[in-house]
Amino acid sequence: NAGVTQTPKFQVLKTGQSMTLQCAQDMNHEYMSWYRQDPGMGLRLIHYSVGAGITDQGEVPNGYNVSRSTTEDFPLRLLSAAPSQTSVYFCASRAPVSNEQFFGPGTRLTVL
Amino acid sequence: AQKITQTQPGMFVQEKEAVTLDCTYDTSDPSYGLFWYKQPSSGEMIFLIYQGSYDQQNATEGRYSLNFQKARKSANLVISASQLGDSAMYFCAMREVSGTYKYIFGTGTRLKVLA
Repeated sequence: NAGVTQTPKFQVLKTGQSMTLQCAQDMNHEYMSWYRQDPGMGLRLIHYSVGAGITDQGEVPNGYNVSRSTTEDFPLRLLSAAPSQTSVYFCASRAPVSNEQFFGPGTRLTVL
Repeated sequence: AQKITQTQPGMFVQEKEAVTLDCTYDTSDPSYGLFWYKQPSSGEMIFLIYQGSYDQQNATEGRYSLNFQKARKSANLVISASQLGDSAMYFCAMREVSGTYKYIFGTGTRLKVLA
């Protein structure tokens, strides 16, 4: 099993550009989520999904879109990148009856 | 609303000694889970330990134990016999079992183990 994979590892965008951060898991987990990590702020939940076709907002959803067409994939879309979205982004997944979230390696995004 | 508070931005501990990392939480849900994660300098998030709100015993995983005091709403992580490899950022997190499935993380404690 590859676990949770994220691409790309690093990305630099200009203000106003759009892009998609990819996240995939091969553990057949229903629950998936996206976090951003900023210095001194811990991890903050952006969006999450409890299964294919079901998504909901987290703590900081503005400027981001998600969709969940398959169990395996949960992409995060930045619609019009802003410098405030410079951060490290983590994707995670969890089995329904498990307490452990498995995290991807993260994507470091810089918006100029 | 859910809230996790970690009041220690940084801690030092001597190698082979025990250290306690503080975590307090706030929730109105009677059913919740508490977690600790480790983030080394390489950046990955590593799950350490879990405590359910109805668990009678404090959780333990090897050198990690969770000192759960429900009335005080605290869930401190105790690391026994610290090792140099324990130097990392540590995050406390909570998930309410009923409702939203959302996880809330604290701001973290950076632990440095001294040789």
